[in-house]
Amino acid sequence: ETGVTQTPRHLVMGMTNKKSLKCEQHLGHNAMYWYKQSAKKPLELMFVYNFKEQTENNSVPSRFSPECPNSSHLFLHLHTLQPEDSALYLCASSQAHAPQGRADTQYFGPGTRLTVL
Amino acid sequence: AQSVTQLDSQVPVFEEAPVELRCNYSSSVSVYLFWYVQYPNQGLQLLLKYLSGSTLVKGINGFEAEFNKSQTSFHLRKPSVHISDTAEYFCAVTIKNKLSFGAGTTVTVRA
Repeated sequence: ETGVTQTPRHLVMGMTNKKSLKCEQHLGHNAMYWYKQSAKKPLELMFVYNFKEQTENNSVPSRFSPECPNSSHLFLHLHTLQPEDSALYLCASSQAHAPQGRADTQYFGPGTRLTVL
Repeated sequence: AQSVTQLDSQVPVFEEAPVELRCNYSSSVSVYLFWYVQYPNQGLQLLLKYLSGSTLVKGINGFEAEFNKSQTSFHLRKPSVHISDTAEYFCAVTIKNKLSFGAGTTVTVRA
């Protein structure tokens, strides 16, 4: 499955580092998402972008900063993270983040396994 | 309040045996329902989805699920599993345009 790609696949960083996660979708979609997947917990939606505009921020700490320069690319900039931020970060895309009444299927990338020391 | 409940966190099963993974949701409005599978070290892959129409939905890899509105359930089934079905399975529900996931069910298939 190469519709949604994420780099890097693994990242180890210290609490004072700055790093970025990259996501790219090749499906012609207009909505992109960041999720956090921690062990034994449901996926947590972090951010939603629809046509390059951020439409949802689920109370994510400011040490996570998303960027969506175009409909195909999504970044997650990381700064001064905590050990509890260690998780699998998944990117997804869908045709659009539709208004109520539609449900576009989300397609996921393989994720970035982040470890914060 | 949790919108999606997967009743079993772990399901061990022998190869060629049937498996059922249970999913219940809480909503009084129309929903859309999904099952995703996550193989080790990979992202989530869509198995099947229910948007409308027939309540029995067939997906990839021989899986199917049945939407039961009165019981607010969307259980996933496969009549005969393979070793390669070992993975984590997530039920997801779109309620008012928000997709919520269950905590996942780990299926381990043994020979």
